[in-house]
Amino acid sequence: AQKITQTQPGMFVQEKEAVTLDCTYDTSDQSYGLFWYKQPSSGEMIFLIYQGSYDEQNATEGRYSLNFQKARKSANLVISASQLGDSAMYFCAMKSNTGKLIFGQGTTLQVKP
Amino acid sequence: DVKVTQSSRYLVKRTGEKVFLECVQDMDHENMFWYRQDPGLGLRLIYFSYDVKMKEKGDIPEGYSVSREKKERFSLILESASTNQTSMYLCASSFLQGLRGNTIYFGEGSWLTVV
Repeated sequence: AQKITQTQPGMFVQEKEAVTLDCTYDTSDQSYGLFWYKQPSSGEMIFLIYQGSYDEQNATEGRYSLNFQKARKSANLVISASQLGDSAMYFCAMKSNTGKLIFGQGTTLQVKP
Repeated sequence: DVKVTQSSRYLVKRTGEKVFLECVQDMDHENMFWYRQDPGLGLRLIYFSYDVKMKEKGDIPEGYSVSREKKERFSLILESASTNQTSMYLCASSFLQGLRGNTIYFGEGSWLTVV
């Protein structure tokens, strides 16, 4: 069975510091994709970053990077130089080769000034 | 401008009522999804569809059914609404294969209260 686990219900980080949000996954598929989404209090889902299972390099998008460790089945999100606007719920997600898309429980990040 | 549109933002229904939540996308996506979002539980997949009239159960299909008669429309049906189905329901769509992009598009969500 496929599963995404985010073990940190809530995290705090000081403004301008880096923070890592954890995500582990379970799948027997060889081909899959991993996503991170941000959901601010407004409720919209904002795409942050994508990593394919065959991508050799870790994905980066501006201040976001994905620490992909395939053997450990982890796909942690690293946010560098946190900003107050980063305060939100963050979801890790996995899309299988059948198209099924599942999400984790989410991590609430609060950035302190 | 690409869009996923959910028919109702806020609904209040009575226990036992039949409830329809509609989702329409204009991007010719094969995949469409229905999730419910509850605090502490994240987004849980109810059903997804990878083609017209094709559907697969997600992690929590009990008490729900779906319909996909046309490619652009995916309906979630609560046959007999119960109070434990009070939640925010989120529709999403995407291409089946990543070769045409991995972007997933979301609706704005439908807040359902069952009293």
